[in-house]
Amino acid sequence: DTGVSQDPRHKITKRGQNVTFRCDPISEHNRLYWYRQTLGQGPEFLTYFQNEAQLEKSRLLSDRFSAERPKGSFSTLEIQRTEQGDSAMYLCASSLGTVSPYEQYFGPGTRLTVT
Amino acid sequence: AQKITQTQPGMFVQEKEAVTLDCTYDTSDPSYGLFWYKQPSSGEMIFLIYQGSYDQQNATEGRYSLNFQKARKSANLVISASQLGDSAMYFCAMREVNTGFQKLVFGTGTRLLVSP
Repeated sequence: DTGVSQDPRHKITKRGQNVTFRCDPISEHNRLYWYRQTLGQGPEFLTYFQNEAQLEKSRLLSDRFSAERPKGSFSTLEIQRTEQGDSAMYLCASSLGTVSPYEQYFGPGTRLTVT
Repeated sequence: AQKITQTQPGMFVQEKEAVTLDCTYDTSDPSYGLFWYKQPSSGEMIFLIYQGSYDQQNATEGRYSLNFQKARKSANLVISASQLGDSAMYFCAMREVNTGFQKLVFGTGTRLLVSP
């Protein structure tokens, strides 16, 4: 399977703990995106990478959130000092930046529950 | 600011019938793209269809077609010959081109239930 993969699929953590999620994009895709989806809502954009450069960050991405994409391959999203409001599905997507319409292909998501 | 509105929280359709899911949008960018995604209960977002703002014809992909009315700023998804496997959440999304931003802005979605 060569789709977008995310790990872990589920994460339960206690408030105040740090968590890290991983996303592996489709291999030839140079663009990678993180979104957050809460219950009953559509995904909300968090951040975007082109290769290893982080080019867009949403205001939703507070100081407790950090994302990296070393070497332009996989990406990690870290949340420090988790809060109950961080409970959500975290979706990763990738796209090929050279072919319009640049549709984004999503992974299965990581569901975070903060207790 | 770009915005997507989906006013139908839920829709019901019988198998083999057609259904239309509504989507209206707002943007000041004359160049934009509109996308529809399907999200089954498993959670993964599946790309269905795309319409560019300058495309002259409505997009079609198999049983999916997009009824694009630019003056009304609407981009409704039509699913023909519904199947039980079409039961899912459906999201309309938009990307503005001239801003240079790559993000998609999503609506709140419509839950479609297909009955036998």
